Amino acid sequence: DIQMTQSPSTLSASVGDRVTITCRASQSISSWLAWYQQKPGKAPKLLIYQASSLESGVPSNFSGSGSGTEFTLTISSLQPDDFATYYCQQYSSYWTFGQGTKVEIK
Amino acid sequence: EVQLLESGGGLVQPGGSLRLSCAASGFTFSSYAMGWVRQAPGKGLEWVSGISASGYSTNHGDSVKGRFTISRDNPRNTLYLQMNSLRAEDTAVYYCAKVTGDWGAPRHFDYWGQGTLVTVSS
Repeated sequence: DIQMTQSPSTLSASVGDRVTITCRASQSISSWLAWYQQKPGKAPKLLIYQASSLESGVPSNFSGSGSGTEFTLTISSLQPDDFATYYCQQYSSYWTFGQGTKVEIK
Repeated sequence: EVQLLESGGGLVQPGGSLRLSCAASGFTFSSYAMGWVRQAPGKGLEWVSGISASGYSTNHGDSVKGRFTISRDNPRNTLYLQMNSLRAEDTAVYYCAKVTGDWGAPRHFDYWGQGTLVTVSS
């Protein structure tokens, strides 16, 4: 099974900050990686797929990069609505999620 | 508009059974693989089960293999999760999710339901 490891687990930041979250796969997954945003009590929302493709309707301050085993999600300028938990997910072989990164207000 | 509406959650005793349903609308249900993902209280997301568009191919995560069964009724646009031999650690919100295509190629989830809570406790 493919394991996904995210870092950090928690990130404290301020509005306007540039934020980067890292996700590592236990084996190569090519570019078969998605990022989701989840707010308390809500379902996850798709942000990025195929490592760097922005889902329709997602603000352009979100971007993704990477391939193989190392991936990043970057929020170029953190907005108030962006405080949430973010999950990476591999879909090269069925599906596995990272443990999540909570972005909280500094 | 794609809509996924889960139902069937509730309180069940350890060792008991429960069947979850997910009613789908707004897309051609029979053309897409589907999945179930769960989230224990205060924890992260865990993929539980997946099923191909036809229903002929299924797979389950190791933590539920042999206890849970995913199925679908395409004419009724409904996805199911039969959960047997339930344990306290199965307590979670269960989400159904639409896959971006059919089985056999890398696909992610693009739409999620709002979830249904399953509590396993005596």
